Amino acid sequence: QSVLTQPPSVSAAPGQKVTISCSGGSSNIGNNYVSWYQQFPGTAPKLLIYESNKRPSGIPDRFSGSKSGTSATLGITGLQTGDEADYYCGTWDNSLSAYVFGTGTKVTVL
Amino acid sequence: EVQLVESGGGLVQPGGSLRLSCAASGFTFSSYWMSWVRQAPGKGPEWVANINQDGSAKYYVDSVKGRFTISRDNAKNSLYLQMNSLRAEDTAAYYCATNNGDSWGLGTLVTVSS
Repeated sequence: QSVLTQPPSVSAAPGQKVTISCSGGSSNIGNNYVSWYQQFPGTAPKLLIYESNKRPSGIPDRFSGSKSGTSATLGITGLQTGDEADYYCGTWDNSLSAYVFGTGTKVTVL
Repeated sequence: EVQLVESGGGLVQPGGSLRLSCAASGFTFSSYWMSWVRQAPGKGPEWVANINQDGSAKYYVDSVKGRFTISRDNAKNSLYLQMNSLRAEDTAAYYCATNNGDSWGLGTLVTVSS
């Protein structure tokens, strides 16, 4: 099982906001940047957030990231039907000397 | 435009070997750490290995240590994953990606089955 824990699912109505948590420890989130990925079925993950709170070019500002201690959060505002996807956090783990992904969260737009 | 194109996947029997390749273009390949990430059917992504710019540093997930080897050829803008002693649990789509996660290939499917 992953060392990064996410809620299995979150949901909200169109236009609303959702937040996805990613809980880790001192060997991973506590001492490293966090990335967030969006994935649609049958496609590769897409980078949404890097260095915990930065957005790559082309990612709308509806997506935001933050980190506090050993946890990180992805926020999605103005929820759209096209945001229905799986979302994963990821970071380096210093104890494992390995990159680790979170357990994943499915976002449903009601 | 950055492009990463994986190849080499297929059906292999348990205990067999495969060599995956990833052809990179559109960026200065030799300046980037590179990674392999896999995703089993219905599961989340799992990081497999990464390699630094000149190939002198390599890291692996515990489950593939001693069986898989990551390598690169900067002259050919190519990344490789040699997979030996394959197991059923290695069945997955394998993606090549820049280490910072901002570019991914489309993936190549590896199926380990008798």
